This record gives sequence, structure tokens and C-alpha cells, in this order.
Amino acid sequence: DAGVIQSPRHEVTEMGQEVTLRCKPISGHNSLFWYRQTMMRGLELLIYFNNNVPIDDSGMPEDRFSAKMPNASFSTLKIQPSEPRDSAVYFCASKIAGGQETQYFGPGTRLLVL
Amino acid sequence: KQEVTQIPAALSVPEGENLVLNCSFTDSAIYNLQWFRQDPGKGLTSLLLIQSSQREQTSGRLNASLDKSSGRSTLYIAASQPGDSATYLCAVRTGGYQKVTFGIGTKLQVIP
Repeated sequence: DAGVIQSPRHEVTEMGQEVTLRCKPISGHNSLFWYRQTMMRGLELLIYFNNNVPIDDSGMPEDRFSAKMPNASFSTLKIQPSEPRDSAVYFCASKIAGGQETQYFGPGTRLLVL
Repeated sequence: KQEVTQIPAALSVPEGENLVLNCSFTDSAIYNLQWFRQDPGKGLTSLLLIQSSQREQTSGRLNASLDKSSGRSTLYIAASQPGDSATYLCAVRTGGYQKVTFGIGTKLQVIP
């Protein structure tokens, strides 16, 4: 199993540009989570999906952030327009919904907005 | 709102020493608690998961304990090795929701 796959691994963009982060969960997992990690705030949950449906997006910071999961094997997190304070590492994680099992994390996307 | 605190923020120990990392949480109505390890530039790897009905879990040189009533968990690492150097995060799942709250982490350095 390849684990959770995220792309790109690194992204440098200029303020105002649109950024799209991608995630492929582990096959068979039906819960998917997007997190943001910064030095100041640690790891924060942005949004999670069960069976491709967004369940809790209360962690999404602003309307500039949006997430989609069009099918069980793909999700995107989009920031439009991006701002320097969005610079962080964004992680995607997946698990089997409803179970006691742990979440499996991807390697993360390191985003720098200039 | 659940809040998770980890102390200390950083720890440096000589190789071979036994050590304890601490985690505290404000809402004792937890579903489970997990300890993760994060290496620089990498994602998180689950080390131990303790259900709310359990008191401790062990894996190799690692032992995690849970005291729900006091809102505390500890991660004990025996005979530390340089390869244990990483950041250790505590994560609490509250109630029946999937939402997990993470601590900031403890950055551990084991000196050869």
C-alpha cells in the first residue's frame, strides 16, 4: 500500500494566486481529513469528509478556503486568493470511518506564500 | 472546547536514559487518546492508541498511560536511542465525533 499521497510536496506562490493541494487517501478508507500545521498553532483540523461528504468544516479559516472530494480516491483543498499567513504545512489523513482505528497521515505539502 | 497541552515543549537527554512525556486535556469525556511521532519534514506516525476504557498501552520500549479523571496521559520511553529523536504529539478524540485535537508536541533530542 502506497499510503496517503499528497501533491505537490512543496509549493511557492505569490500572494493573490490560487493554490490547489491534492490528496489520494488509502484505498478502502472512507474518512478523509485536511489539517494545517504551523509553529504557533500546531496541528489544526480544517475539514473532514465521511464517504465523500463534508461533515465538519468548522476549522476552515475563511471563505478563501474550500475543499472537495469528488470521489473516494481524491480530494482537493483550494485557497483563493492566497495570503502570506496561509504559509504552513498542509496534511491529509485518512481512516476507516466509525472505527477505533488510527488516522494515517500523508507526507504533507509545504506551502509558502510570498 | 477540548484543549490539549504538552509539557515540556522540548527535551534533550543522553542516550540510554528513560524519559516521560506529558499530555493533559481539559475535557475528560474522551473517546480515545493517541500518541504520534513526527520526524522533520514528514507526516505523523501513530505510536499508541488508548481507548477511553483502557489505562495503558505498550509497544516495545514505549508505554502510554491514561488517567481520564485527571485529564492526563504520559508516554514513557525506556532506554532512549538517538533514533527516538523526533517530535511527539498527543491527540485526543472527544465524544463520538471524528474530530481530533492535537497538542503542540514535545521535541525530543537523544544525544549519543
